[in-house]
Amino acid sequence: AQKVTQAQTEISVVEKEDVTLDCVYETRDTTYYLFWYKQPPSGELVFLIRRNSFDEQNEISGRYSWNFQKSTSSFNFTITASQVVDSAVYFCALSEAPGNFGNEKLTFGTGTRLTIIP
Amino acid sequence: DGGITQSPKYLFRKEGQNVTLSCEQNLNHDAMYWYRQDPGQGLRLIYYSQIVNDFQKGDIAEGYSVSREKKESFPLTVTSAQKNPTAFYLCASNPGPGAPKNIQYFGAGTRLSVL
Repeated sequence: AQKVTQAQTEISVVEKEDVTLDCVYETRDTTYYLFWYKQPPSGELVFLIRRNSFDEQNEISGRYSWNFQKSTSSFNFTITASQVVDSAVYFCALSEAPGNFGNEKLTFGTGTRLTIIP
Repeated sequence: DGGITQSPKYLFRKEGQNVTLSCEQNLNHDAMYWYRQDPGQGLRLIYYSQIVNDFQKGDIAEGYSVSREKKESFPLTVTSAQKNPTAFYLCASNPGPGAPKNIQYFGAGTRLSVL
């Protein structure tokens, strides 16, 4: 069975500080996908990134960066120079590789509530 | 504008009543999903559908029912058998197996409360 653990329930940082959200996953599959979603107060989940299990290259997108380490089964998310608009709940998720029907089901972590203090 | 529309935004259910949550997408996606979100528990899969006229139970299907008569619509009925329906319900869609972008996109959600 797949499992995603986000041990940090809530984090508060002062604006402009850097912050890292942790994500640890468990799966028996050799091919899988990892995701990060942002849920602002409005409620809609916003897709941030998808990472293939064969691609361990770190990724940077503006102030966001992701560190994927297969050896420790972790897929951590760092926000640099945080802003108030980054305040949200962030979810890490895991899916099997797509292929047959049903393989795109996502297993979510319990989320990390991030508050940026102005 | 392409996207996923959930309605209503807020819904109240009386004891013993069935209620239906609407989910419509104009993204031409094959797959659609329903999730339930409770505080501190993340999202849990209720039902999903990969093609029209076919759907599968997720992890917490008891007390819920769905239909998929049209590609763009995937309504969720919360039946009276669901004893604890108060939650935030999210609908999602995905292009389907084999699509280059196997990413689920979400609607804005429906918050259901029991009167």
